[in-house]
Amino acid sequence: QKEVEQDPGPLSVPEGAIVSLNCTYSNSAFQYFMWYRQYSRKGPELLMYTYSSGNKEDGRFTAQVDKSSKYISLFIRDSQPSDSATYLCAMKETSGSRLTFGEGTQLTVNP
Amino acid sequence: DSGVTQTPKHLITATGQRVTLRCSPRSGDLSVYWYQQSLDQGLQFLIQYYNGEERAKGNILERFSAQQFPDLHSELNLSSLELGDSALYFCASSLGLRDNAYEQYFGPGTRLTVT
Repeated sequence: QKEVEQDPGPLSVPEGAIVSLNCTYSNSAFQYFMWYRQYSRKGPELLMYTYSSGNKEDGRFTAQVDKSSKYISLFIRDSQPSDSATYLCAMKETSGSRLTFGEGTQLTVNP
Repeated sequence: DSGVTQTPKHLITATGQRVTLRCSPRSGDLSVYWYQQSLDQGLQFLIQYYNGEERAKGNILERFSAQQFPDLHSELNLSSLELGDSALYFCASSLGLRDNAYEQYFGPGTRLTVT
């Protein structure tokens, strides 16, 4: 069983929709939770990170972590065609540096 | 632009061959990471170096090796290549270890095709 599970999609939504992306994990030692965005043929770029539990908001993006359920989410409000990309969740233990990634969810926002 | 550079962008080679991928981290970053991204395995951590020393190993095959040089650039060596080694190889860098390491900056990747 993988440490981090993420539905690969693909997910297709109309412009302006609210998008919900999710990951579950099994390693209780994970304390840092990140969302990376990867455009086609590019390297991943960090969108948001959360330390431990709670919510974090940045513009149209909101990240949520529920450690009791081992479940994290990324919400995108008022989605735009430019949000079309693959979204990867990533997690890290406090003691280490390596990131463990989910498979990535491919998102398409249609104009 | 993340500030991390990788060369070459594309590499096509035959089975059994050896290749070297190169990475220059962002200015000031001491940690370098190598990841492999394939369709069936996703993004997998291979190995990490910090200021010239190996710090962590992931799912890296014995046929693969890496090093980080005094100027902090890093090279990933892949030998006795097999068809299954075809993938995107990413280098990432971060300022330091542990608490800083959540913020990793990825290069554009090297696409390796083994024929």
